[in-house]
Amino acid sequence: KNEVEQSPQNLTAQEGEFITINCSYSVGISALHWLQQHPGGGIVSLFMLSSGKKKHGRLIATINIQEKHSSLHITASHPRDSAVYICAVTADKLIFGTGTRLQVFP
Amino acid sequence: GAVVSQHPSWVICKSGTSVKIECRSLDFQATTMFWYRQFPKQSLMLMATSNEGSKATYEQGVEKDKFLINHASLTLSTLTVTSAHPEDSSFYICSARGTSGSTYNEQFFGPGTRLTVL
Repeated sequence: KNEVEQSPQNLTAQEGEFITINCSYSVGISALHWLQQHPGGGIVSLFMLSSGKKKHGRLIATINIQEKHSSLHITASHPRDSAVYICAVTADKLIFGTGTRLQVFP
Repeated sequence: GAVVSQHPSWVICKSGTSVKIECRSLDFQATTMFWYRQFPKQSLMLMATSNEGSKATYEQGVEKDKFLINHASLTLSTLTVTSAHPEDSSFYICSARGTSGSTYNEQFFGPGTRLTVL
C-alpha cells in the first residue's frame, strides 16, 4: 500500500466544471504539497499546507490533519488546467503520490 | 515567487559519455537541494539530498559513483551522470528548499532536464 494515495487516477471534465482531487496519506507529516506537472514535464508547486485551507485564484486546497486527507479543488475549470496533479507529503522526506491526470475539454 | 532553473532543459548524448545538469535557485538561498528522476507516467523518485558544503545523501539503490552531486554554493547544485547508458535516459528534476523568509522550508521545483542516452 502506498503511503500517499490519490484519487481519481484519471479525470476528464468539461470546461467550467468544478473539479476535486483527493489525497490520503498514512504517515506523520509536517506539510503537504500540491504540485502541477504539465506535459512538458516541468513541475510547479501550487500549495504547501500544514493545516486548514488555502486559496489561489481558482484553486483551493484543504487539509484535515486528523483524517490524514487533503483535497485540491479547481473552480470553473479550463483546458489550460489539463495537467498531472501530484500530492506530496513531507515526512522524513518528500513522498509523492502517483498523480491524477486531468483533462479538461472545451 | 521563488524560481529554480535547470540547465540544460534537454540533452542527447552517446553511451559512455558524462552529462552534467545544473540546478540553480535564482532569487533565494537553498542549503538543501534535492534530485529526482521520473520515468514515463511514473511518480518522482528521490535520488539524493544535496547539502551545501557537504556530501550528498543518496537513497537506497542509487549509485553515488554514477550520479555525482556537487553543491558548491547556496544557489547551485550539479548532478553529473557518469558513463551514461541508455537505461539512464529519464527526466531529472531538482528542487531547492528555502532557508529564510517567505521561502523558508518550502520546496521549489526546477523545470526538469530530459536526458536521452543513445
